[in-house]
Order: sequence, then C-alpha cells, then structure tokens
Amino acid sequence: AQSVTQLGSHVSVSEGALVLLRCNYSSSVPPYLFWYVQYPNQGLQLLLKYTSAATLVKGINGFEAEFKKSETSFHLTKPSAHMSDAAEYFCAVIYSGGGADGLTFGKGTHLIIQP
Amino acid sequence: ETGVTQSPTHLIKTRGQQVTLRCSSQSGHNTVSWYQQALGQGPQFIFQYYREEENGRGNFPPRFSGLQFPNYSSELNVNALELDDSALYLCASSLGTSGGYNEQFFGPGTRLTVL
Repeated sequence: AQSVTQLGSHVSVSEGALVLLRCNYSSSVPPYLFWYVQYPNQGLQLLLKYTSAATLVKGINGFEAEFKKSETSFHLTKPSAHMSDAAEYFCAVIYSGGGADGLTFGKGTHLIIQP
Repeated sequence: ETGVTQSPTHLIKTRGQQVTLRCSSQSGHNTVSWYQQALGQGPQFIFQYYREEENGRGNFPPRFSGLQFPNYSSELNVNALELDDSALYLCASSLGTSGGYNEQFFGPGTRLTVL
C-alpha cells in the first residue's frame, strides 16, 4: 500500500528565507510524486510532479523538489520565501500504472511566512 | 478554456438526509475523480469515473455513489448522511485514467456541513 508522511503540520519561515517542506513516501512499486498547494477556500493547484524522469524537478513559483529513492523522500524547497507563499501544501503519491486508484495525500503542511 | 467548476459552494444538511454534489470537468477531459477533505486533513480518494463507468474506488461505503454524464460532467451522491461526512468535497478532472501521468485539475470544492 502507498502512503505519504509530511513532517511538521506547521512550518514558519521569515520572508526571504529558505523554505523546506518534508515529505516521505512509502510505495512498493515505483511511484509518481506530486506537490500541491491549496490557498484558503480554493481547490488544489499542482506545483510540480516527479514521473521517473529527472530526479530534480522544477515547478511553478520558484519551487523545486528532489526525488531521493534511498531516503524515500521528496522534499519541497524554495530558496527565498515570499509572503504570497503562505498556504497549505500537500505531498501526494500514486504508483505508476495506478491511475484508477487515485492520489494518496499526506495530511498537509501549513506554511506561515513571517514579515 | 474553462476550468473545473463545482456546485454548490456550500451546503448544510441534517443527519440521515441525502445530498447531490455536482462537478463540471475541464473541457476535453474524460475522467473525473472525487475526493473528501476533512478539516485539517489531506484529501482522500472516493472514486474515479472514466467514460461514464466507475473504474476505481477508495475506502468509502456504498452510500457514496456517483454518475458521469456523456458531456463528462459528474455527480457525487451521498445517502444517509452522517456527522463525519462533513468535509470539503473536491472533484478533479483529467484526460485519461493514468493519474500519475495525466495531471488532475481540481475544482474549488463544495463545503458540506452535516448537523
């Protein structure tokens, strides 16, 4: 069975500081991995995805994530936080070929940006 | 290009009642997935419809059912509502069933409150 663990339900960083949101996955077969962002009262927006191509994935709004198989991790980073990055972030997994099973999401990390 | 839309935005029901939520897929998308997002949690996969047939289901009881229409719009029906059904219900459309490879586009959700 596949699962995702997001370490830290809340992360607070200063504007301009490095953002690091942690995600570890468990999948018995090669996974596809995703990061989504959710702003208040809105749906989910895809930030980036890993689908077994390059292990370093670049997404929108300056975010990137690195797939590390040995650590079963897919942490999300951004070099310099902006006030507009304040939102809820979800890591999700699906195993390749498991389209009909839907995405499995973590519980989310609330990112707080301090001025 | 029109994105994914959902109606209604908010809904209040009482325990034991039935509810129907609606979703209009992004133009050209033939697959729709429904997710339940409880407060403070990540979304959980309910089921997926492809070309009007259910082709994948998460760990939800039969009182959660759905329909997909020839124009690829979709309904989620929940019978015998329980207090724990209170959540944000998200639908996501995609082109094809391979959720790992084909991006799922999410609607803004319907907030259901069961009293």
